[in-house]
Amino acid sequence: QLQLQESGPGLVKPSETLSLTCTVSGGSISSSSYYWGWIRQPPGKGLEWIGSIYYSGSTYYNPSLKSRVTISVDTSKNQFSLKLSSVTAADTAVYYCARQGTVTPYNAFDIWGQGTMVTVSS
Amino acid sequence: QSALTQPASVSGSPGQSITISCTGTSSDVGSYNLVSWYQQHPGKAPKLMIYEVSKRPSGVSNRFSGSKSGNTASLTISGLQAEDEADYYCCSYAGSSTFYWVFGGGTKLTVL
Repeated sequence: QLQLQESGPGLVKPSETLSLTCTVSGGSISSSSYYWGWIRQPPGKGLEWIGSIYYSGSTYYNPSLKSRVTISVDTSKNQFSLKLSSVTAADTAVYYCARQGTVTPYNAFDIWGQGTMVTVSS
Repeated sequence: QSALTQPASVSGSPGQSITISCTGTSSDVGSYNLVSWYQQHPGKAPKLMIYEVSKRPSGVSNRFSGSKSGNTASLTISGLQAEDEADYYCCSYAGSSTFYWVFGGGTKLTVL
């Protein structure tokens, strides 16, 4: 059964770069049937799509975050990663990685990691 | 791009049916049959309940159904059960020149 697991620092200083990795187990990240996405949720608030990546490296970003976001994939490690630069307190959130179907479920996030809390504070 | 609009809260008694609306624009909900719905219990990751407006993933109860009319999508839960109490989020594809997905603000469902 495919599982996703986020990892990375839980505390980041303002103006620095937030870096997270999502490790995919129980399946291949190189499947043509899926994108791999990052979604975040500030405390007590709703979900926000950050961006998605295809195993080939094609990336798609939320326009509101595009200038600060980089998503990359490492097929040899079955991982994909998120970097968010110049963070502020507004970037404090639970960050989720998720699988997103290109065939079925088309365009939906069907498998999610457990999420990791990242706090931006000095 | 603005978030999709959902009511902040809805409630219902066990056995009843409720509907949660998700209003977007002609650039997202109105243009694509790519609305999905997610259930989130406190402290847990979201769970996919509906995709492509009205399709249910394997394992999701048929008490959950989805529909769309114009720029508004809806999630209906029939035969409410205590375990349905959770937050619900809609999501729509919103890209035209590029891939882009937008979520709703979320709806808290209370089972009375």
